Amino acid sequence: GESVGLHLPTLSVQEGDNSIINCAYSNSASDYFIWYKQESGKGPQFIIDIRSNMDKRQGQRVTVLLNKTVKHLSLQIAATQPGDSAVYFCAESPYSGSSNTGKLIFGQGTTLQVKP
Amino acid sequence: DSGVTQTPKHLITATGQRVTLRCSPRSGDLSVYWYQQSLDQGLQFLIQYYNGEERAKGNILERFSAQQFPDLHSELNLSSLELGDSALYFCASSPYNTGELFFGEGSRLTVL
Repeated sequence: GESVGLHLPTLSVQEGDNSIINCAYSNSASDYFIWYKQESGKGPQFIIDIRSNMDKRQGQRVTVLLNKTVKHLSLQIAATQPGDSAVYFCAESPYSGSSNTGKLIFGQGTTLQVKP
Repeated sequence: DSGVTQTPKHLITATGQRVTLRCSPRSGDLSVYWYQQSLDQGLQFLIQYYNGEERAKGNILERFSAQQFPDLHSELNLSSLELGDSALYFCASSPYNTGELFFGEGSRLTVL
């Protein structure tokens, strides 16, 4: 069935280092992928998205890489800060371009811990 | 602050009861989504409304129902509650067909 999974449940990094969070997806029909960040006690917050016609997209301190061949998605955070500590979810949408684009399939999440 | 408001923030009730969760989307957003977050199932899409009409359904139980009113606020009704319904229920809104959803802070439901 459809699933979006994360390779590691917890990632611990030193402040200032770069973080890489990985995600595997299984639905070949998905053509739109999104990363969300969820801080404790809050709702998920959009970070960055990428469509399947791209393999890389950069934002402020974040980069998303998409490898459609192996159905792999990664989020890179540069110069990780304590404020980056949160749970990170990848999500996919097999319905992009339709009115159901927001019907997202979320992965289980990776907890990022930033050590000072 | 995402601009999405959910009430109540916390709710404790007993099995068999019925509760209503309320969501006010961001000003101008026509789409409202409900998601359930539990430890074992993660974030699961429940249902989407667009400008008052149901647009998509996900893993929503028959005991659950939702609606979106003319002022665009939405309510999620959960009935015949079971212990397994204990979870965080998130509402999200978006202005157009996008995966960039704006989530509220959630309503934490505990069923005893």
